[in-house]
Amino acid sequence: GENVEQHPSTLSVQEGDSAVIKCTYSDSASNYFPWYKQELGKRPQLIIDIRSNVGEKKDQRIAVTLNKTAKHFSLHITETQPEDSAVYFCAASFTGGGNKLTFGTGTQLKVEL
Amino acid sequence: NAGVTQTPKFRVLKTGQSMTLLCAQDMNHEYMYWYRQDPGMGLRLIHYSVGEGTTAKGEVPDGYNVSRLKKQNFLLGLESAAPSQTSVYFCASSIQGPNTEAFFGQGTRLTVV
Repeated sequence: GENVEQHPSTLSVQEGDSAVIKCTYSDSASNYFPWYKQELGKRPQLIIDIRSNVGEKKDQRIAVTLNKTAKHFSLHITETQPEDSAVYFCAASFTGGGNKLTFGTGTQLKVEL
Repeated sequence: NAGVTQTPKFRVLKTGQSMTLLCAQDMNHEYMYWYRQDPGMGLRLIHYSVGEGTTAKGEVPDGYNVSRLKKQNFLLGLESAAPSQTSVYFCASSIQGPNTEAFFGQGTRLTVV
């Protein structure tokens, strides 16, 4: 089955700096890669996703890149703000993969003032 | 439009007791999922359903049962609770499977003593 590894497990940045979270996946058939943000005590919510026919996607301060050859994808947050502090999860799935979305273990991002 | 609603939000069980967690969605989604979230382990899929009347095993199904008698509801049962089932449980739904956005409930914090 699919295995998703996520690094780092914790990340601390100064407000205004950039943050990068990286994930690798094992199944080359995976074709959908979403990122979820979970604030403390809240539910996970989708913030951005990318499909395998696209190499990069951007939404304001958030961007995701995908390298299919190396089987890794990354989340980039620029100009970080205190409200970006949360746990971020990457995930991977593929059509026909048993209807399973496999999550990484999460990155606790802390944006310090 | 409430989205995905879980009942209850908190519960303490004694070892060996049984309980049912209820998940309800009002978005007419076909797919529904139950995940458990444990520190350092991300979100792991317990069971899922691809439509009314269907259920399937996920990554960690042992000790749990599910039912989807109505399209809008997905029930998770623990027949004989164990301390290892202490976790935060999230229900989610998506319109068309794991390659589409998953909408999560607010979570149920379960403690088994």
